[in-house]
Amino acid sequence: EVQLLQSGAEVKKPGESLKMSCKGSGDNFARKWIGWVRQMPGKGLELMGIIFPGDSDTRYSPSFKGQVTISVDKSINTAYVQWSSLQASDTAIYYCASYSSGNYWDTAFDIWGQGTMLIVSS
Amino acid sequence: EIVLTQSPDFQSVTPKEKVTITCRASQSIGSSLHWYQQKPDQSPKLLIKYASQSISGVPSRFSGSGSGTDFTLTINSLEAEDGATYYCHQSSSLPQTFGQGTKLEIK
Repeated sequence: EVQLLQSGAEVKKPGESLKMSCKGSGDNFARKWIGWVRQMPGKGLELMGIIFPGDSDTRYSPSFKGQVTISVDKSINTAYVQWSSLQASDTAIYYCASYSSGNYWDTAFDIWGQGTMLIVSS
Repeated sequence: EIVLTQSPDFQSVTPKEKVTITCRASQSIGSSLHWYQQKPDQSPKLLIKYASQSISGVPSRFSGSGSGTDFTLTINSLEAEDGATYYCHQSSSLPQTFGQGTKLEIK
């Protein structure tokens, strides 16, 4: 079973860049789509985008397209989300999650990382 | 984009009560609807997938039903540990979306 371990909490200034990671364990990492989910303070869950580690096929939710870049290095079982210029509104907890089957459609997130808190403040 | 609307937003409940949370989709999503539980300072946890399929390790008091646009999560005989926020999620079409959440407070 895949387990997901995310990188540690970050405190950044507006305008700075960041690459956040999600490392998977287990043999199936490359065969299951990974999603990145944002949770702003006191708010609900928002899917930012998804990526298939096997071939880096990536789909972005409209609100996040152009705002973040999702990538993967399957050789080290690690997915990433990165920002080129952070804003205060990026302050949130970010989760990576793995779908329960090899598809992203008609399937649920059954494995979640522990979350990474990002604070962007001057 | 498919909008998922949960009700209620908040409910204060006592142990052993039966709780029903609904999730309505803005268009038909078949059975591609999943439920998660999120306790404070924890990651979400999958409770029910495909509207009604149980998940190994999840207590049997949690059940789901529905198809198309209307879905229900039922918690029978609520326990104190069930105080959490519950989210529905549709994976029928991109962008996949979540409901706004339902917070259950245990009295």
